[in-house]
Amino acid sequence: DTGVSQDPRHKITKRGQNVTFRCDPISEHNRLYWYRQTLGQGPEFLTYFQNEAQLEKSRLLSDRFSAERPKGSFSTLEIQRTEQGDSAMYLCASSLDAGREGCYFGPGTRLTVL
Amino acid sequence: AQKVTQAQTEISVVEKEDVTLDCVYETRDTTYYLFWYKQPPSGELVFLIRRNSFDEQNEISGRYSWNFQKSTSSFNFTITASQVVDSAVYFCALIPVIQGAQKLVFGQGTRLTINP
Repeated sequence: DTGVSQDPRHKITKRGQNVTFRCDPISEHNRLYWYRQTLGQGPEFLTYFQNEAQLEKSRLLSDRFSAERPKGSFSTLEIQRTEQGDSAMYLCASSLDAGREGCYFGPGTRLTVL
Repeated sequence: AQKVTQAQTEISVVEKEDVTLDCVYETRDTTYYLFWYKQPPSGELVFLIRRNSFDEQNEISGRYSWNFQKSTSSFNFTITASQVVDSAVYFCALIPVIQGAQKLVFGQGTRLTINP
């Protein structure tokens, strides 16, 4: 499979716990994005990496959220002290040039905070 | 303001009918990109088409066609002879700034149900 992969696909956690999600982009793609999608809404941008550098973060990304992309390959998104409002689908996407070629999305990680 | 509006929240049609999904966008930039994505029940966003702001040619791909009209800031999507497998949520999206992050701005989506 040469698409974007994400792990886990589903995560149920209790409020206050920390969770970490992983994204493996398409191998030659230098751009990596995290988006969040809540029920009935379109995805919203969270953060963007070009290679290993995190170049942009949305104001939606509170200080409880941190993302990394060591060595410019896979990326992790960690949420500390989860809250019920964090329940959502977390989508990862990758591209070479999103405008010219489109952005390719993974299957998402559905987070439920109890 | 950079915004995408999909006014139709839900559409339900009978198989083989034609259906058009509307998309209106707002951006101050003269150069931008527009997209349509399909999200089936499995949840994965599937890229359907990309259009840049300088190319107003309509496009047809099988049963799918797209009508880009810069004068009305619209990028509508038509499915001809719809099939049950077309049932999904469809998102229109905009990259309003081609430099930098090239982040997508999505509409709220249109849930399309094709009934047999």
